Amino acid sequence: EAQVTQNPRYLITVTGKKLTVTCSQNMNHEYMSWYRQDPGLGLRQIYYSMNVEVTDKGDVPEGYKVSRKEKRNFPLILESPSPNQTSLYFCASSLAANSPLHFGNGTRLTVT
Amino acid sequence: AQSVTQPDIHITVSEGASLELRCNYSYGATPYLFWYVQSPGQGLQLLLKYFSGDTLVQGIKGFEAEFKRSQSSFNLRKPSVHWSDAAEYFCAVGAGNNRKLIWGLGTSLAVNP
Repeated sequence: EAQVTQNPRYLITVTGKKLTVTCSQNMNHEYMSWYRQDPGLGLRQIYYSMNVEVTDKGDVPEGYKVSRKEKRNFPLILESPSPNQTSLYFCASSLAANSPLHFGNGTRLTVT
Repeated sequence: AQSVTQPDIHITVSEGASLELRCNYSYGATPYLFWYVQSPGQGLQLLLKYFSGDTLVQGIKGFEAEFKRSQSSFNLRKPSVHWSDAAEYFCAVGAGNNRKLIWGLGTSLAVNP
């Protein structure tokens, strides 16, 4: 089944403790992206990747890192999480930047 | 600046009633247009898209949308709503050379039995 898999679904952590949210897609998609979703603010893009080893900042990249060493994986790294990064995070992929996106089921992160 | 507006934050309809969700965009050229649906606890799923051609597009789950260039709109419609349509609906516009997606803030749909 074609899908985007994010892990974990839920994560509670403390300020400053490094964490990684994994994202994997099995559709051989070139384009991958991370979004955060907050009430009243909609979806905001954090980082995106047009292809392997090519990543670029989205609208709200501060406090996040990504890597794209393989086509299928696009982990999101929070080196030193802060409470303002408490949010619902989505990974998405598509054939190309202008193609319809396939979304994962989300990761709800709470930073205390 | 490019933008997408979904004027209705929340809409409630009765099951079986018709539905129209509004989406207006600001972009100089013809954009790529999308509607996505987010069911509770789920990721977003593509309902339909418009790239070019026929301005009335059909999507999944019985939804359709019409691109009106003169009104810069891409409204989503469904003739008869089912209780399972209760969800959050997002309009998105692909703009610029790399077609970066610009998202509306969403419309929350509640369906009364």
